[in-house]
Amino acid sequence: EIVLTQSPATLSLSPGERATLSCRASQNIRRFLAWYQQRPGQAPRLLIYDASNRATGIPARFTGSGSGTDFTLTISSLEPEDFAIYYCQQRTSWPAVTFGGGTKVEI
Amino acid sequence: QVQLVESGGGMVQPGKSLRLSCEASGFAFNRHAIHWVRQGPGKGLEWMAVVANDGRDKKVADSAKGRFSISRDNSKNTVYLQMDSLTVEDTAVYYCTKDLASQAAEYHFDSWGQGTLVTVSS
Repeated sequence: EIVLTQSPATLSLSPGERATLSCRASQNIRRFLAWYQQRPGQAPRLLIYDASNRATGIPARFTGSGSGTDFTLTISSLEPEDFAIYYCQQRTSWPAVTFGGGTKVEI
Repeated sequence: QVQLVESGGGMVQPGKSLRLSCEASGFAFNRHAIHWVRQGPGKGLEWMAVVANDGRDKKVADSAKGRFSISRDNSKNTVYLQMDSLTVEDTAVYYCTKDLASQAAEYHFDSWGQGTLVTVSS
């Protein structure tokens, strides 16, 4: 099983600040990584797929980068609605896709 | 707009069965694979099953193999998750999700339902 390790577990920031979230894979997953946002009480929402492609309707302040085993989600300037939990997900080993444990971005 | 509406959750005793439904609208249902992803209480996300757009190809996570099965009825725009021999570890919110790609599944989940809670308890 491909394990995804997200860091930090919690990120404490203020609106307007830059957020940098990390996801590390236990083996090479090329660029087959997605990022999801989950607000409290809501379903996850796809932000980024295949490492750097923004999903439909996702603001440009969300940027994904990386390849191989190390990936980053950057939120350039935090808006109040961005405080949420973020998950990464790999699809290299489909159907056994896996998710990271999440990073909580809090005020 | 895309809508996925799950139903069928509830409380059930260990060893019993439950069937979840996911009714879809707002997109070409017969062109997309549909997945089920679950989230245990206070936990992360776990992929559980997928059914291809035409219903022919189906896959289930190892943790549920032999107990869960997935199917779809394209005439009703509905996907089903049959869950048998439930255990307390199956307690979770179950989401149905639409695959981003058309035709072949690519395991990117671009639309999600609101989820249905399954509680397995004696």
